[in-house]
Amino acid sequence: EIVMNQSPLSLAVSPGEAASISCRASQSLLKRNGNNYLDWYLQKPGQSPQLLIYLGSNRASGVPDRFNGSGSGTDFTLTISRVEAEDVGVYYCMQGIETPALTFGGGTKVAI
Amino acid sequence: EVQLVESGGGLIQPGGSLRLSCAASGFAVDETFMIWVRQGPGKGLEWVSVIYRGGRRDYADSLNGRIALFRDTSNNTLYLQMNSLRVEDTAVYYCARARHTSVFGVEGLDVWGQGTTVIVSS
Repeated sequence: EIVMNQSPLSLAVSPGEAASISCRASQSLLKRNGNNYLDWYLQKPGQSPQLLIYLGSNRASGVPDRFNGSGSGTDFTLTISRVEAEDVGVYYCMQGIETPALTFGGGTKVAI
Repeated sequence: EVQLVESGGGLIQPGGSLRLSCAASGFAVDETFMIWVRQGPGKGLEWVSVIYRGGRRDYADSLNGRIALFRDTSNNTLYLQMNSLRVEDTAVYYCARARHTSVFGVEGLDVWGQGTTVIVSS
């Protein structure tokens, strides 16, 4: 099973500030097709998770461009360039390379 | 509209059984990889069961032997039969759809249901 480690556990930011979340995988998520099988999700309070970023750096449909994913191999970062109040919640990374055992990071709680 | 709607959760005694449903609309459940994910109280996300486009199913070790996943294309619904439930199975259960898959892996879970809550307690 691929273990996903996220840091920090929690993050307090002011509106308009930038925020970064790190995710490290226990093995490389880069396949020979050049894609990194790493996604980012946001679970807003009381809601189900929603896809933000897939394949490491591709924004999902409707996701604002202040969300950016980067990294390759085992180390990835989600950056929110200018945090807004609606961005509060728990952020999870997930590896999609090892099915069926898709595994998630422990989550990073972002508060304003 | 593309959506998933779960149902079937509830309060059940240890050792009991439940059948969860995941009704899809806007797409066919047999056209993509589908997954059940659970989230225990105050905890993170854990995969439970998957069904591939071709019909193959897999189960997490923690539940293997106690659950079964079925797909009904006539009413476009997934069913998760859960038996011999334990207190530690208490969680919100979500179904989700993969936006795309390839031989290399899953490229994002782009549609999630609202979840159904299972509480196992005496």
